[in-house]
Amino acid sequence: QQQVKQSPQSLIVQKGGISIINCAYENTAFDYFPWYQQFPGKGPALLIAIRPDVSEKKEGRFTISFNKSAKQFSLHIMDSQPGDSATYFCAATKGYSGAGSYQLTFGKGTKLSVIP
Amino acid sequence: GAGVSQSPSNKVTEKGKDVELRCDPISGHTALYWYRQSLGQGLEFLIYFQGNSAPDKSGLPSDRFSAERTGGSVSTLTIQRTQQEDSAVYLCASNIRLAFGTGELFFGEGSRLTVL
Repeated sequence: QQQVKQSPQSLIVQKGGISIINCAYENTAFDYFPWYQQFPGKGPALLIAIRPDVSEKKEGRFTISFNKSAKQFSLHIMDSQPGDSATYFCAATKGYSGAGSYQLTFGKGTKLSVIP
Repeated sequence: GAGVSQSPSNKVTEKGKDVELRCDPISGHTALYWYRQSLGQGLEFLIYFQGNSAPDKSGLPSDRFSAERTGGSVSTLTIQRTQQEDSAVYLCASNIRLAFGTGELFFGEGSRLTVL
């Protein structure tokens, strides 16, 4: 049973455009939702994260929108740049409060290509 | 370096052979995770170590997979009698498990395993 569903699998965006990646989760116990960015040959690195007590979090050109009732969250990349070309993974965990094993459940990833 | 170190970076083996993958976490990080990344399948949780607690082995796919963490630092993931479906990138991550959790896992660059 896949607990975090991510779409699209791949995305091509023109430079300067908006990239949008969506995720949906099933487990209502999840209390922390990070996004990881992975460049080829590298390990994933934390990009931005949100807790369910807020509906939006913005860091620079990256914004997470969170809809608790729909159990969905999304990543928006504004003014997308070729350097943003990478694979993006959404994730969820029920470990933020300190309970649980804190394992992250990842989506299957979205390969983003930003073309000049 | 100060990051998570994994070795070997690449391993090619024959079906049926045993392999060992090593992870050296960031100094002072009490939590250590192993994930498997297969093409198109995202990141699959394998095992989690936290301090001296019993490891969470719930993600290990079969009894051919085992892991240990010696002295609360270096970890070794062992795959016995490798199969072609074991071919993947094995990622190690570490972090500090604080009372409220941190959310950020620091990943190594992975060990790419190819089983012929």
